[in-house]
Amino acid sequence: SYVLTQPPSVSVAPGQTARITCGGNNIRSKRVHWYQQKPGQAPVLVIYDDSDRPSGIPDRFSGSNSGNTATLTISGVDAGDEADYSCQVWDSSSDHRGVFGGGTKLTVL
Amino acid sequence: QVQLVESGGGLVKPGGSLRLSCAASGFTFSDYYMNWIRQAPGKGLEWLSYVSSTGNTLYYADSVKGRFTISRDTANNSLYLQMSSLRGDDTAVYFCARSPRWLVLSSSWYFDLWGRGTLITVSS
Repeated sequence: SYVLTQPPSVSVAPGQTARITCGGNNIRSKRVHWYQQKPGQAPVLVIYDDSDRPSGIPDRFSGSNSGNTATLTISGVDAGDEADYSCQVWDSSSDHRGVFGGGTKLTVL
Repeated sequence: QVQLVESGGGLVKPGGSLRLSCAASGFTFSDYYMNWIRQAPGKGLEWLSYVSSTGNTLYYADSVKGRFTISRDTANNSLYLQMSSLRGDDTAVYFCARSPRWLVLSSSWYFDLWGRGTLITVSS
C-alpha cells in the first residue's frame, strides 16, 4: 500500500516561510492535495493537484511536487496559519483508496 | 450556506452498531461523490469510503470493508454510514466530505468541502 510521510512538526517565526514536506515513492507521478485543520473545525482544502489554490485561499499558500517529495509552502506566516496540515493522494494502483500523510503541526513562534 | 453537517455519533459498546448521517446544503448534491473520512485521537486522517453521485459505485478501505456500508439519499441531500461490529480502534471523529463528480474522469481525487465531524467512542 502507498505510504505518505510527513514531519510531525514544523516551527517558524511570524513573517517567515514555512515548508512542509510530504514524502512518497515516486510521488511526482501522483497529484497531491493539502488540507489545513484547526482544532474543532472542518478541514479545509488549501492546495489541490500539486499547486492549484481553491477560491478564497491566499496566494501565500503554494505547492510543488517533484521526485519523491511534495512540498506545501506558506510565505509570510502569521498566527492564523497555526494548524495541522495533511497531504493526500489517491491510490488507484491496486484498489481505489485515499491516502493521507500523518499530518504536520505548524507552530508559529 | 454551503455546508456538510454530520450527526449520529456517541458512545457504543464493542460489537455494537451505529448509523451516521451527513446533511448537505447549499449545493447540488447530485454533482458530487461523497466520502467518509475519520481521525482517531492524536492520529492522522484516514479515508474510509466513497459513494458515486448515483449511488451505484462504492469503495471501502480494507479497515472497514465488510463492516461499514455507505449510502446516500439524493432526494434528502443526505449521506449515511452504517457501522457494525465496532471495535475500540474505530474510536474517532468521523467526517463527511465531498468530491466533485467530474474528478472521476481524471487521475485526481480530493475533498473540497468537509463537515466538522462527529465523535464515535467505542468502549465498554
